[in-house]
Amino acid sequence: DQQVKQNSPSLSVQEGRISILNCDYTNSMFDYFLWYKKYPAEGPTFLISISSIKDKNEDGRFTVFLNKSAKHLSLHIVPSQPGDSAVYFCAARLAGNNRKLIWGLGTSLGVNP
Amino acid sequence: SAVISQKPSRDICQRGTSLTIQCQVDSQVTMMFWYRQQPGQSLTLIATANQGSEATYESGFVIDKFPISRPNLTFSTLTVSNMSPEDSSIYLCSVEDQAGARTEAFFGQGTRLTVV
Repeated sequence: DQQVKQNSPSLSVQEGRISILNCDYTNSMFDYFLWYKKYPAEGPTFLISISSIKDKNEDGRFTVFLNKSAKHLSLHIVPSQPGDSAVYFCAARLAGNNRKLIWGLGTSLGVNP
Repeated sequence: SAVISQKPSRDICQRGTSLTIQCQVDSQVTMMFWYRQQPGQSLTLIATANQGSEATYESGFVIDKFPISRPNLTFSTLTVSNMSPEDSSIYLCSVEDQAGARTEAFFGQGTRLTVV
């Protein structure tokens, strides 16, 4: 049972345009959400996060939107750059003492020059 | 942020053998985590390595198959025992920085294991 779902395995975008990566979740006990980027042969690196009490967090070219009623979050990258080409993982944290991270399958983003 | 060194970065192993993966962190951390990412799958938590006590394993993972050591606050090892081709995967070491409401996980570069 996939509690964190990234339904698009891949996405292709032109350089300079906006990239939108989507993530849906099923567990209402998640209280914190994170986005990670992963290049081949490297571990995931942290990009941006959002608490469940907020609906938007922005950091430079990266903005994460959270829609709690729809159990949906999205990562916007604008403008997209070729160096953004990577696999992007959505992760959600369970509230409480066991603050375990649950991960989506990832979306491979390709930004074309 | 924490810097994590993981080795080996990759290995090809014969079935029935065991491989020990090492993880070194540049700062003292209470908990270290071991993940597996099988081909086409998400990151799956294997276990939490606690210093001074036994590791805590997630459902579907057992100590006999994945013994873990945590001798101090900066180092951990994960052993993949009696390997089969199904163990071919990327294994990742992670630490988390939990400051207040925030959580941020840092990862090593991963160990790509192929079992033949």
